[in-house]
Formats: sequence, C-alpha cells, structure tokens
Amino acid sequence: DAGITQSPRHKVTETGTPVTLRCHQTENHRYMYWYRQDPGHGLRLIHYSYGVKDTDKGEVSDGYSVSRSKTEDFLLTLESATSSQTSVYFCAIRTSASSYNEQFFGPGTRLTVL
Amino acid sequence: DQQVKQNSPSLSVQEGRISILNCDYTNSMFDYFLWYKKYPAEGPTFLISISSIKDKNEDGRFTVFLNKSAKHLSLHIVPSQPGDSAVYFCAASPSGAGSYQLTFGKGTKLSVIP
Repeated sequence: DAGITQSPRHKVTETGTPVTLRCHQTENHRYMYWYRQDPGHGLRLIHYSYGVKDTDKGEVSDGYSVSRSKTEDFLLTLESATSSQTSVYFCAIRTSASSYNEQFFGPGTRLTVL
Repeated sequence: DQQVKQNSPSLSVQEGRISILNCDYTNSMFDYFLWYKKYPAEGPTFLISISSIKDKNEDGRFTVFLNKSAKHLSLHIVPSQPGDSAVYFCAASPSGAGSYQLTFGKGTKLSVIP
C-alpha cells in the first residue's frame, strides 16, 4: 500500500460540466501520474508531475489539465467533460526506491459522462 | 504506434498448469520491463520487473524472461491458481533521469479454471 487515495471513487456527470479528480499521497513522493484505462487501450498516461507546480503532458492530454500546489495532492481537471472521457482514472506514484521505475497505483475513479 | 504489444487479449489455463503471458516491444531505448496485475475495481498492482542486462528474474511462482534480441518478454506463472485470474499488463521504461514514464501494453486477461 503506497498510501494513495483517490476521490471521488465514482462520479456521474453531464457533458459540458467541469470535473476535478483528486489524488492524495501521504509519503511526499516527488513523481505522480494520471492514467486512464479503457477497454482495448490498456493504461494511457494523461499528465504527470515531477514536483510542486512542475507538470508535463502525457500521451492523451487533450481535454485535461492538472495542478499540483502541494506535494501530497495532484488534481486532474476536465474543463468541459465529454462522453469520450468516460473512463476509469488511476493515479500513480513513483517512489525514490523504485529501482526499475515501478509505479504504485491508487484504487481508481470511475467517471461516467452522460 | 504501439511500442508495447500484448497480442493475446485473453488466456485460459487449468489450475496447476503453467500460464505464459507474452509481450513484445519496439523501442530499443527501453531498459526496464515490468508486469502488473489488475483485479476488477482495483488499481494495478506491481508484480515483477527485469532489467535489460538480465534475461530472467524469478519471484516465487512468477518468472519473467527477457529476450532482448527479439524484443520479447514473457511472464510465467507456475503453478497457476484461481486467484491469479486477472488482467496482466506489461510495461516498459527507459533508464536514466527523466520523467520515468511507463509505457503499457493493452493487457491480457488470464482466467485460471479450477
């Protein structure tokens, strides 16, 4: 257990509404990541952070923004949700002890955009 | 362009037999290779990893084999147990400083039949 929590765990929203997902860690790890998981696509990186206020884009960043104002929190925002953003979202951290860049994942947030 | 490929979406194995999950990659810059296991409604769990300087790594019932010249790795589970039924993701990462990103395959769903 890497001490990662995600909130909310489930959310249903309507197209066009803003949505913010939260990832919280308790161990002050520097690197944090947001992924989405979709059938037939595996896990795809949306954005990642390498420190407070330091973020960068991943493979599927369009339509998403992130913020990290504190080490422990990494927020993912959908400015105007679309049905194509219906997915399961996972947050992950990389610890300083990660020998092979292994990441540890939170429990996920299931988002449905109607 | 898929850099990490898991060509078998599903695999069924009898309890007690060997499960072999395969993964191919195309990026020669990958140095670290990882396997994750994912149960429904949970986050992926790190299982085992291997560095490109090795060809085998073993951890209990799980062994990962790497054939660098063929850009192929496999995960062997012996003996397979019903609790091993899950989706398995192969992932790869370059070494060296940077974002420490992982690139995932699409996953293979393993079903172990009692």
